[in-house]
Amino acid sequence: DAMVIQNPRYQVTQFGKPVTLSCSQTLNHNVMYWYQQKSSQAPKLLFHYYDKDFNNEADTPDNFQSRRPNTSFCFLDIRSPGLGDAAMYLCATSRDVTTGGRTEAFFGQGTRLTVV
Amino acid sequence: SQQGEEDPQALSIQEGENATMNCSYKTSINNLQWYRQNSGRGLVHLILIRSNEREKHSGRLRVTLDTSKKSSSLLITASRAADTASYFCATVAITQGGSEKLVFGKGTKLTVNP
Repeated sequence: DAMVIQNPRYQVTQFGKPVTLSCSQTLNHNVMYWYQQKSSQAPKLLFHYYDKDFNNEADTPDNFQSRRPNTSFCFLDIRSPGLGDAAMYLCATSRDVTTGGRTEAFFGQGTRLTVV
Repeated sequence: SQQGEEDPQALSIQEGENATMNCSYKTSINNLQWYRQNSGRGLVHLILIRSNEREKHSGRLRVTLDTSKKSSSLLITASRAADTASYFCATVAITQGGSEKLVFGKGTKLTVNP
């Protein structure tokens, strides 16, 4: 059974039209991540949540926002998508542990965003 | 910003050969992880090695960690065509604010030829 589910798998949006990507998890993990991955590049961390605490990366554009209404769901909002925002967006979860740092991350299958 | 650097960027080998990928990182870590990504898919966790461990095995995978050199290696023995994928190392980095985050290196694209 899928444990981290991203919807939709493919999203086409118009230049400048707000778009929301969603992620849900059945693992009850307290940490959730959003990554952007462009072709042949490494996943780039946009932000992450530790429970409800939001941690934004310094180089994440203001155009990107996130919401986490509860443990199971997390949303990525792109307020005004540009052509450069076309990428695969990956959601991941992990469980924090008190020693040794966090356990492994579980990834969804990603949402491939196309901006036209 | 990315923390890890991996080499080689691309590796092509024949089935049955061993594949070695290296990863270097910059800041202190709690653990280092290796992930695999098939083309166009999400990442799958392979193995985690904690900062107080030097070597770890899982099936055909062997990971080493040298915290003095801030480097790790992933060895895949007796490779198969199905091992063709991109492999990324990731570190749980401690930020200046004291929080932790999972940051990925640039990855190695492995091609195993039948």
